[in-house]
Amino acid sequence: NAGVTQTPKFRVLKTGQSMTLLCAQDMNHEYMYWYRQDPGMGLRLIHYSVGEGTTAKGEVPDGYNVSRLKKQNFLLGLESAAPSQTSVYFCASSYPWQRQETQYFGPGTRLLVL
Amino acid sequence: EDQVTQSPEALRLQEGESSSLNCSYTVSGLRGLFWYRQDPGKGPEFLFTLYSAGEEKEKERLKATLTKKESFLHITAPKPEDSATYLCAVGVRGSTLGRLYFGRGTQLTVWP
Repeated sequence: NAGVTQTPKFRVLKTGQSMTLLCAQDMNHEYMYWYRQDPGMGLRLIHYSVGEGTTAKGEVPDGYNVSRLKKQNFLLGLESAAPSQTSVYFCASSYPWQRQETQYFGPGTRLLVL
Repeated sequence: EDQVTQSPEALRLQEGESSSLNCSYTVSGLRGLFWYRQDPGKGPEFLFTLYSAGEEKEKERLKATLTKKESFLHITAPKPEDSATYLCAVGVRGSTLGRLYFGRGTQLTVWP
């Protein structure tokens, strides 16, 4: 099992460009999450999904959109990138029933917006 | 407002020097407390889940404990390979199932 994978690993964008980050999991998890991690700020939830076809806003959703067309994939989109979106982005998944709320994380995507 | 606070922000230990990391939480109801380890340039890796005050879990040199207000991650005789950032997170009763709230982490450095 690969667990949670993220594509790409690193990307440089110019202000105003768009891009999509891909997250895939092979653990048959229902729930998936996108976080950003900035120095001194910890992990902050951007958007999450509780199942195929569903999405919901987290703590810091502005400037991002998401889609969950397939259970195993969760896409994070930046329509018009801004320097403030320079960060490391982590995807996670979980199967939060029967006291199993543990989230499993991918390796991250480093994004630099110039 | 629910909050998770970790202390200290950074900790430097000599190899073999035992210590503890703290995670205090102020939530309306705890559904679970989670500890993760994060190495530089990698995603967080799950270590432990604790559910009830008094519960303890161990893994190699690490031992996690839980009270009604805080959790401790005890590191016994640490080695340089234990150097990492340790993250604490909580699940909160009444919030969306599966959603976790993270602290900012403690960066641990163990030198030989």
